[in-house]
Amino acid sequence: KQEVTQIPAALSVPEGENLVLNCSFTDSAIYNLQWFRQDPGKGLTSLLLIQSSQREQTSGRLNASLDKSSGRSTLYIAASQPGDSATYLCVRSNDYKLSFGAGTTVTVRA
Amino acid sequence: NAGVTQTPKFRVLKTGQSMTLLCAQDMNHEYMYWYRQDPGMGLRLIHYSVGEGTTAKGEVPDGYNVSRLKKQNFLLGLESAAPSQTSVYFCATQRGMEAFFGQGTRLTVV
Repeated sequence: KQEVTQIPAALSVPEGENLVLNCSFTDSAIYNLQWFRQDPGKGLTSLLLIQSSQREQTSGRLNASLDKSSGRSTLYIAASQPGDSATYLCVRSNDYKLSFGAGTTVTVRA
Repeated sequence: NAGVTQTPKFRVLKTGQSMTLLCAQDMNHEYMYWYRQDPGMGLRLIHYSVGEGTTAKGEVPDGYNVSRLKKQNFLLGLESAAPSQTSVYFCATQRGMEAFFGQGTRLTVV
């Protein structure tokens, strides 16, 4: 059962374009939403955490929103750079359970 | 990531050998997890623990055992390694609903 779906699976853009990554969930239980970045062969680096009472979080060029009524979260990356190339994972946490999306692999072309 | 340390980072095993992966955290978190990450399959939960002395099975527990004798350590054991256990293993902890990951252990079983 796929609880967390990320679309698209892969994305390739020229440098400077804005990135929009989507994450959706199959149920509306109370949860937090966390976005991670994973570089090839590396671990997961936390980017943003949206707590259940919040609607969005921002850090530099990154903005993540959470719409619990529709079960969706969106990660925006403004003015993309080649260094943004990585796989982005959304993770929903509910009590002790973590649910992962399969990730969106982003390539930013110089 | 600071706070969650996995040992070793790389290992090659022969089929049938045993080994133990160590996850150590210094954040006093109750919840700890072991995941495996395989291409095209995302992260899958092997075992988890909600506190010292407790463990529970996750999605793919077969072939693995765990122990949480001390709050700060979560051990993952392979009693008789199989090529199907070739993977990247991640340990994670959780505080509230925020997750923290180790840098991973790349295990190859030949």
